[in-house]
Amino acid sequence: DIVLTQSPDSLAVSLGERATINCKSSQSVLYSSNNKNYLAWYQQKPRQPPKLLIYWASTRQSGVPDRFSGSGSGTDFTLTISSLQAEDVAVYYCQQYYTAPRTFGQGTRVEIK
Amino acid sequence: QVQLQESGPGLVKPSETLSLTCTVSSASISSHYWSWIRQSPGKGLEWIGYVHSSEGTNYNPSLKSRVTMSVDTSKNQFSLKLTSVTAADTAVYYCARSLYSLVMDVWGRGTTVTVSS
Repeated sequence: DIVLTQSPDSLAVSLGERATINCKSSQSVLYSSNNKNYLAWYQQKPRQPPKLLIYWASTRQSGVPDRFSGSGSGTDFTLTISSLQAEDVAVYYCQQYYTAPRTFGQGTRVEIK
Repeated sequence: QVQLQESGPGLVKPSETLSLTCTVSSASISSHYWSWIRQSPGKGLEWIGYVHSSEGTNYNPSLKSRVTMSVDTSKNQFSLKLTSVTAADTAVYYCARSLYSLVMDVWGRGTTVTVSS
């Protein structure tokens, strides 16, 4: 199985500041035939299901604010919230869909400082 | 918009079978892949597998011997059966739509299943 390791486990950021979450994969999730990274990011707020934010490592899902962005390739990926808002308090997960079984990172909790 | 709703018993006895159903609204169940994912405090998010009405199933090898997923096109529902449950199967179970079997873009609200005698 592909293991995804997120860092940090939690972070506290002031309102309006940048939040950065990292996700490292135990093997590359870049599919050479189409040059796509098979990695997604989800946001989970308390007592809610996860919500898809980004797929193909950097493509925002419809309706997701543009303060959320994804980057990276191969084995190292980053989710950035450019200007943290109160409604962004949540746990964020990366997920690979390069191979089965699909696997998730352990999650990163984002709080307001 | 597409909506999913899980249903099933909230309490299952050890060694018995966990059975859940996901009812899909505003989408044809035949047109997509459908997944089950569970979340427990100890193991985080765990993908159980997916099913497609004509493409078949793909299960997590860690659960494969105990899992069966199926689709009922007449009811626009899909289901999960997990046999021989133990306390380790206690979790919130989510159903979700899987775009092209890849990412989960629409999720149900989840249902809590506790395994206890």
